[in-house]
Amino acid sequence: DIQMTQSPASLSASVGETVTITCRASGNIHNYLAWYQQKQGKSPQLLVYNAKTLADGVPSRFSGSGSGTQYSLKINSLQPEDFGSYYCQHFWSTPRTFGGGTKLEIK
Amino acid sequence: QVQLQQSGAELMKPGASVKISCKATGYTFSSYWIEWVKQRPGHGLEWIGEILPGSGSTNYNEKFKGKATFTADTSSNTAYMQLSSLTSEDSAVYYCARGGTTGYFDVWGAGTTVTVSS
Repeated sequence: DIQMTQSPASLSASVGETVTITCRASGNIHNYLAWYQQKQGKSPQLLVYNAKTLADGVPSRFSGSGSGTQYSLKINSLQPEDFGSYYCQHFWSTPRTFGGGTKLEIK
Repeated sequence: QVQLQQSGAELMKPGASVKISCKATGYTFSSYWIEWVKQRPGHGLEWIGEILPGSGSTNYNEKFKGKATFTADTSSNTAYMQLSSLTSEDSAVYYCARGGTTGYFDVWGAGTTVTVSS
């Protein structure tokens, strides 16, 4: 099974800052990686798939990058609505494992 | 538009079984995988498994084999997950999601809260 290690587990940042969340897979996942955003009490929402493709309606301040076993999600110019939790997930094989999550809070 | 509507919250006794539903609208139900995900406070997201409604093919996370059983009814565009022999460890929010073109989860249901308590 492929394990996903996500960091940091929590992050405090101010509106307007740029932040990066990383995800490391225990094996090559060939860009079969997605990022999700989850607000408190809500279901996760797809942000990025295939490592770098933004889902419909996702603002361009979000970007995904990486290859092989190392991936990252970058958020430029943080907005108030960006705060919440973020999860990476691989879909190269089953089980489709999620990272442990990153909680992004307002500083 | 594509939507997944999940059944309401359940309060169950230990040892009982529960069946959660996920009704799909706005797309060809039989052609996309339905994914099931568990979320407990402080435990992040766990993939339980998936079913392809058109064929009935399933894939289960080994951790949930014997615990979860997936079915799908293409006449009503509804997928189901049954959880058996419930314990307090099964108390969680359960989400269904649509498996996108290459496997990412592009649409999610609102979640069903299952509480197991005597």
